[in-house]
Amino acid sequence: QVQLHESGPGLLKPSQTLSLTCAVSGGSINTGSYYWTWIRQPAGKGLEWIGRVHTSGNTNYNPSLKSRVTISVERSKNQFSLKLTSVTAADTAVYYCARAPLGGGVMVIGFDYWGQGTLVTVSS
Amino acid sequence: ETVMTQSPATLSVSPGERATLSCRASQSVSSRLAWYQQKPGQAPRLLIYGASTRATDTAARFSGSGSGTEFTLTLSSLQSEDFAVYYCQQYNDWPLTFGGGTKVEIK
Repeated sequence: QVQLHESGPGLLKPSQTLSLTCAVSGGSINTGSYYWTWIRQPAGKGLEWIGRVHTSGNTNYNPSLKSRVTISVERSKNQFSLKLTSVTAADTAVYYCARAPLGGGVMVIGFDYWGQGTLVTVSS
Repeated sequence: ETVMTQSPATLSVSPGERATLSCRASQSVSSRLAWYQQKPGQAPRLLIYGASTRATDTAARFSGSGSGTEFTLTLSSLQSEDFAVYYCQQYNDWPLTFGGGTKVEIK
């Protein structure tokens, strides 16, 4: 059974850099058959896709965050990570990592496995 | 960006009744649409993909339909565990986008 688990600081001050890690267990991150993704959700609000990485290193980011986001994969540790710079209160949210299976190099079903989410609060 | 619009925002339904949720895309997403269920304090769970294919462990009372820009999620006979928020999501183009959600509550 594949499991994803987010970890990282839960409290940041404005202007700091958010750094989260998603550890993948029960399967290898190196198969090349998935996009590894970050999604966030402010309290009481909807879901926002942040971006994704493939084990090839190829990435796509949400244009609304692109200038501040970096997603990378750490193959040897079977995990991937998110960095979001210059955070503000608007970045306060539950952050999820998720897996998107690929077929022929494109997403075929959406996100089939999710982490439990980690709350990140930005406050001075 | 493909904007996904869900309606209604809230749906009040009695147990055993049928619920119909709508999702509209601002441009065609073909059938590259997924539905998720989210309960309080939990991550979303994939219910439907390809607009109409039930994911593993999705009960048969959940059905999806549509293509292009208009999609529907139908819950044929609501059970107590079905009261939750439902999101649609397109995976046809970048950036990936979600609808704002429909909350299905007990009437």
